[in-house]
Amino acid sequence: QSVLTQLPSVSGAPGQRVTISCTGTRSNIGGGYDVHWYQQFPGTGPRLVIFGNNNRPSGVPDRFSGSKSGTSASLAITGLQAEDEADYYCQSYDSSLSAWVFGGGTELVVL
Amino acid sequence: QVQLVESGGGVGQPGSSLRLSCAPSGFSFENYAMHWVRQAPGKGLEWVAVISYDGSNEHYADSLKDRFTISRDNSKKTLFLQMDRLRLEDTAVYYCARDPGHRVPLPATAYNWFDPWGQGTLVTVSS
Repeated sequence: QSVLTQLPSVSGAPGQRVTISCTGTRSNIGGGYDVHWYQQFPGTGPRLVIFGNNNRPSGVPDRFSGSKSGTSASLAITGLQAEDEADYYCQSYDSSLSAWVFGGGTELVVL
Repeated sequence: QVQLVESGGGVGQPGSSLRLSCAPSGFSFENYAMHWVRQAPGKGLEWVAVISYDGSNEHYADSLKDRFTISRDNSKKTLFLQMDRLRLEDTAVYYCARDPGHRVPLPATAYNWFDPWGQGTLVTVSS
């Protein structure tokens, strides 16, 4: 049971926009801690795609964007491409646990 | 090119010990806090431990602090994870990852992310 809650799977057709949600509590996202997002392909280590709620590292397409409100955050991907098919994880910090915490991951399927 | 390479994984029996290593390249290792994160087969990511840039402070996931020890040798530019009294549920791919802050003390790293990550090393605990 992950501290941050994500839907197991989302899907979209090429060119569409999809959003991946991440829900926390007042001790993590709602407590002012930033949310970060990672992309992971099978057999590889995670790759940072959004940091500090809505910032993109260099090399990440501007099709990726992030937002945060209250105890939730979202990752949006516009102009969906086949290469975006991967698992996506949100991450924050939890003050009650004194630990960095992750969502359970969302599998993005490009139809 | 900033890169992290883990090693030391393998098969161990319940109750045994393993030591993982992480070798960095492309950045000044001694200036960055470092983390270990693990991922059980088919499961999500779980944070394990963090060590400050100078090795003076460590912090662990509550469920692991009595069995796992994170350390670093800045002179040899290597990060370690000593895993003792291994359990079946420790079976996972173990990743090392860097905190992005330059000489940031541990409390301040709570707001930070992990970048980059290594490719991971698989630890299998089996009788």
